[in-house]
Amino acid sequence: DAGVIQSPRHEVTEMGQEVTLRCKPISGHNSLFWYRQTMMRGLELLIYFNNNVPIDDSGMPEDRFSAKMPNASFSTLKIQPSEPRDSAVYFCASSSGTPYNSPLHFGNGTRLTVT
Amino acid sequence: KQEVTQIPAALSVPEGENLVLNCSFTDSAIYNLQWFRQDPGKGLTSLLLIQSSQREQTSGRLNASLDKSSGRSTLYIAASQPGDSATYLCAVRADGSGGYQKVTFGTGTKLQVIP
Repeated sequence: DAGVIQSPRHEVTEMGQEVTLRCKPISGHNSLFWYRQTMMRGLELLIYFNNNVPIDDSGMPEDRFSAKMPNASFSTLKIQPSEPRDSAVYFCASSSGTPYNSPLHFGNGTRLTVT
Repeated sequence: KQEVTQIPAALSVPEGENLVLNCSFTDSAIYNLQWFRQDPGKGLTSLLLIQSSQREQTSGRLNASLDKSSGRSTLYIAASQPGDSATYLCAVRADGSGGYQKVTFGTGTKLQVIP
């Protein structure tokens, strides 16, 4: 079990550029979550997929943010255009099973810096 | 709306001491509660998951308890070691306002174990 894999680990970009973050969930997991972590706001849920379908995107801050899950083994989070206030660590997490006994498994995150 | 609180925000103890971290939540209709540790610059590592029907879970020197009626959970760490230094987060999984699941995180307790 390779765990949840995120890429890139670090991304530095200039304001206005497009940023794409990638996530490979654990094989067999049917739920995928994108979180953003900052010192000021802690961990915030951005979007939640179940069986590749977006279920809750109420945490997506603006239309500049979009997420896709074209298949069970891959998801992307895109920011276009990026702004300095988007600088944060973005985590992907996955889980399986029933809501009662299914722990969240996190990737190591992508640290995004927008200058 | 579910709110999760962790007090204290930071804790410093000498090595060898037993300690308790606290987590409280406002809505007791949860599926489960999960404790994580996060090391600086890393992702979240799952420590323990307690299902709503359970009262406690144990793993090595860690023991987590759950009292749904009072909306509280504690993480007990026995014989603390410098390697336990990290930020500890709790998260509750429950139904969101749209009928889908939502995982809400506390802001964490930063633990420092002094040799």
